[in-house]
Amino acid sequence: AQSVTQLDSQVPVFEEAPVELRCNYSSSVSVYLFWYVQYPNQGLQLLLKYLSGSTLVKGINGFEAEFNKSQTSFHLRKPSVHISDTAEYFCAVSDRHSGGSNYKLTFGKGTLLTVNP
Amino acid sequence: EPEVTQTPSHQVTQMGQEVILRCVPISNHLYFYWYRQILGQKVEFLVSFYNNEISEKSEIFDDQFSVERPDGSNFTLKIRSTKLEDSAMYFCASTPPGSTEAFFGQGTRLTVV
Repeated sequence: AQSVTQLDSQVPVFEEAPVELRCNYSSSVSVYLFWYVQYPNQGLQLLLKYLSGSTLVKGINGFEAEFNKSQTSFHLRKPSVHISDTAEYFCAVSDRHSGGSNYKLTFGKGTLLTVNP
Repeated sequence: EPEVTQTPSHQVTQMGQEVILRCVPISNHLYFYWYRQILGQKVEFLVSFYNNEISEKSEIFDDQFSVERPDGSNFTLKIRSTKLEDSAMYFCASTPPGSTEAFFGQGTRLTVV
């Protein structure tokens, strides 16, 4: 069984400030890690994913995340946010050893990032 | 760019009624999923579907739920007798062959009154 914890339900920041959205997971098996973003009235869009290799992964819109196996974390960062980054951000994991392409996702509760002018 | 489409965007139904939520996954994708998000809670996996049968289902997906791929394009979620607690946003998703990325639709907001 897997679980994902996003410690901050809301993160307000000012435009051009750096931001970090925290994500911790627990799993008895190896996992893939994902960050999804949901803009108002839209579906979930993949920001970035960690499958293997370099622990620092870069995604769309200037976001990056670092996988830390010892701390079971996958925090999302952006050095300078824009108003347009205001959205809900979801961390998710899936079992590496699922059959075929059945990558069932386990999500965290989400973090609402609000960027203020 | 291909996308997963869901209809309707919002559905209101009376308790005890049957509802069918519709999804058109991306055409070359092989795995299809339904997730739901109750207001203020996390997105939860309901069911995955492959090769015209359920691949995996969660404990939420009880006998009142069913899924079907009635033709080559649609993927439906049926709730037989809706309860107030079924009110949620329902997301459909699909994954292409050999990929770990799930593509999500915009969701259907189901309100049971």
